[in-house]
Amino acid sequence: QVQLVQSGAEVKKPGASVKVSCKVSGYTLTELSMHWVRQAPGKGLEWMGGFDPEDGETIYAQKFQGRVTMTEDTSTDTAYMELSSLRSEDTAVYYCATGPSRFDYWGQGTLVTVSS
Amino acid sequence: VIWMTQSPSLLSASTGDRVIISCRMSQGISSYLAWYQQKPGKAPELLIYAASTLQSGVPSRFSGSGSGTDFTLTISCLQSEDFATYYCQQYYSFPRTFGQGTKVEIK
Repeated sequence: QVQLVQSGAEVKKPGASVKVSCKVSGYTLTELSMHWVRQAPGKGLEWMGGFDPEDGETIYAQKFQGRVTMTEDTSTDTAYMELSSLRSEDTAVYYCATGPSRFDYWGQGTLVTVSS
Repeated sequence: VIWMTQSPSLLSASTGDRVIISCRMSQGISSYLAWYQQKPGKAPELLIYAASTLQSGVPSRFSGSGSGTDFTLTISCLQSEDFATYYCQQYYSFPRTFGQGTKVEIK
């Protein structure tokens, strides 16, 4: 059984960066394809990017290209999502999610608030 | 990009009702479709994958059907714990995309 535990809530100023972590247990990170999904207040789910095991590359949604970086530390089985040049519209709950193509497992979510 | 149209966006129903949620794709995705349930303040949970396969532990009143471009999620006899928001998601290609969501509320 995979468990994903994310880092705590963050408050950031516009223009800053945020780095959210997602600790994996039950499996090793190398066995999984990790994705990140966000949800703005009162809105739907938005896929940000994730690992494509067929190509061995991380694919980012075009909307976030150039602003998002997804990395992994296999020594600690922790995945990271860093979003830069934050603006108020980036206020959202950020989830890590994984599974065999679909998303069987989700982290608990991390609220990122962008406010001056 | 595969665009998804999920309908309705809001569904008012009573306990015991049969409800149907639709998801239409802009292009064919075979059966690479999942359905999720999300309750307020919680992460989404996988209900159905491969269009019609029930995730372990999901009650049998949930069912999914369809292939290609048209899919449905049916709840045969709505229970109080089923009032939530439902999302479809395609995993046929990148970028992964979600439907806009359907909120099932108490009538």
